[in-house]
This record gives sequence, C-alpha cells and structure tokens, in this order.
Amino acid sequence: GESVGLHLPTLSVQEGDNSIINCAYSNSASDYFIWYKQESGKGPQFIIDIRSNMDKRQGQRVTVLLNKTVKHLSLQIAATQPGDSAVYFCAENIQGAQKLVFGQGTRLTINP
Amino acid sequence: GAGVSQSPRYKVAKRGQDVALRCDPISGHVSLFWYQQALGQGPEFLTYFQNEAQLDKSGLPSDRFFAERPEGSVSTLKIQRTQQEDSAVYLCASSLFGGPGGELFFGEGSRLTVL
Repeated sequence: GESVGLHLPTLSVQEGDNSIINCAYSNSASDYFIWYKQESGKGPQFIIDIRSNMDKRQGQRVTVLLNKTVKHLSLQIAATQPGDSAVYFCAENIQGAQKLVFGQGTRLTINP
Repeated sequence: GAGVSQSPRYKVAKRGQDVALRCDPISGHVSLFWYQQALGQGPEFLTYFQNEAQLDKSGLPSDRFFAERPEGSVSTLKIQRTQQEDSAVYLCASSLFGGPGGELFFGEGSRLTVL
C-alpha cells in the first residue's frame, strides 16, 4: 500500500547550521502534509503543514517545500539549535480520508 | 491541563490480560484519534471519532482492540487478551474540527509492555 518514507534515518548537523530533512511520499491523492517533531517520551508536536496547492510555506525558523512532480517533501530548519534534537516525521493526509499516514522518521542530532 | 492527557503513562501486562487506556482530549475538540507507535517507527492509525461517532476503525489490528467515546469527550482504548506484539506506545490526538486538515494535538502516550 501507499506509504510515506524518508531518505535518511539519521541526520547530524553542527549547531548553527541549517538542517534539511527529506521525505518521499507515494500517494498522488494526498492533499495535505504535515511535519511533526517528537522528543523522547513525548507525543508528536506539530511543526508546520502545507496543502497540495502550495509549494512552499514558511514558519518561524522552519520552511516546508513540496514538490508534487516528484512526490517529495522537505523540512528546512534554519540555525539549528540543541533544542531541535528530536525525531522528525512527515505525514500525509490522503484526500477524503480522516487519518494521517506517517513516515518512519529521521533522528536529528546537533553537534556542539 | 490544557493539553491531551493520557493514562496510564506506563502499563505492564501479562500476556492474556485485558488493558484499558484512557484519553482526555482538549475540551471542545470534535475529533479524536488513536495511533499505535512501535519502537523506532512512526505512528500508525488505529481509529477515529467525530464526537461520539466512530467513523473509521480500519486501523484496529484485530477484534481484540475496541475503542469508545460514549459522550464525545473522554475515550478509552481497550485491548483484550493482550499479546506480545501489542507492546507499543498508544497515542491519542484531538483536533478542534471534524474532518482532515485540522491541527492534531497529541498526548504523551501510554506505553504498553506485554510480558
């Protein structure tokens, strides 16, 4: 069945650098995408979302890019901080469904 | 508190026991979801409620799993005759509106370990 996947399971960056986390999705019927951050022992926390009629959306220090042609989603974190260390999940909502399909996740670690 | 509250946070059960996991969503939130998260994996959808109506239970892995939300607020996920493969974190989430597209607020989860 359709699934959301990630290119890399782990990502290590220097503090202050920009981080880019990638995600591939396979369901062309998906119309809404979300990035979540999950810290150890906690539930996923909403970061930013984007609808399929957009290709870019910016938040505070984060930007999500959507390329529907190649079914690719990315999360960019500017000036990465130690508090950004977590597992990041992309999730997609298939049009007409009431549920999110999550990817496996990317663990982001910050080097001092 | 103002967030989604789940209890118990940790549950250890012997294989074959029944367990009940509780979720208190954010007050006034229409939609409530249950997800199962295995170690090192992303959450997987179990079931969805809009108010008291269970509109989608397609993710429940077997008839041992049962969820209810009788008054449209608190929800309980019940697992009968637990098996080792049921060991996971069970996440509850709520959103203000019905339908997709609303921001989901997750609880911290109930970690179930079946021995």
